[in-house]
Amino acid sequence: QKEVEQNSGPLSVPEGAIASLNCTYSDRGSQSFFWYRQYSGKSPELIMSIYSNGDKEDGRFTAQLNKASQYVSLLIRDSQPSDSATYLCAVNKWGAQKLVFGQGTRLTINP
Amino acid sequence: SAVISQKPSRDICQRGTSLTIQCQVDSQVTMMFWYRQQPGQSLTLIATANQGSEATYESGFVIDKFPISRPNLTFSTLTVSNMSPEDSSIYLCSPDGYTFGSGTRLTVV
Repeated sequence: QKEVEQNSGPLSVPEGAIASLNCTYSDRGSQSFFWYRQYSGKSPELIMSIYSNGDKEDGRFTAQLNKASQYVSLLIRDSQPSDSATYLCAVNKWGAQKLVFGQGTRLTINP
Repeated sequence: SAVISQKPSRDICQRGTSLTIQCQVDSQVTMMFWYRQQPGQSLTLIATANQGSEATYESGFVIDKFPISRPNLTFSTLTVSNMSPEDSSIYLCSPDGYTFGSGTRLTVV
């Protein structure tokens, strides 16, 4: 079992709809959770981090964390073509700065 | 957050040669993290480097292949030695473990 799992996609969503990206992790000691956006040929850009169960909102982005189910998700509201990218989920353990990344989900927003 | 500069941004190298990648940050940081992203893959941590001590390498990565220097708290280098096509990747440094520079795209031919 991979430490961090994501559906590789591609995930296609019409413009203006909500894109939902999911991530599961295997280590119950994981404490911090991160979502990155990576455009082709570019380095990953940190979108959001979440540490506590529940929802965290930042603009059009909402991260959701459920530690009991070992599940973290990212919702993108009012999806735009510029949101088309690969989204990476990453987790780390308490006191450890090392991040473990999922394989990423390729998202395409269709105009 | 720190401003991270990586050089070179990209390079095409012959197999068997070595390339040194530089990472400069605009503030002093205790640790520097080096990641690799192979084509179509996700990021994998190569090693972490503190100033004044040997870098700590992750499983599957060795110092002879990826020597790292950390001469001061704002600068680090990663060398990819005796390169093969399998080393073709994006190499990324991070001063805090979760934000990244623009990366070095390496192609080995």
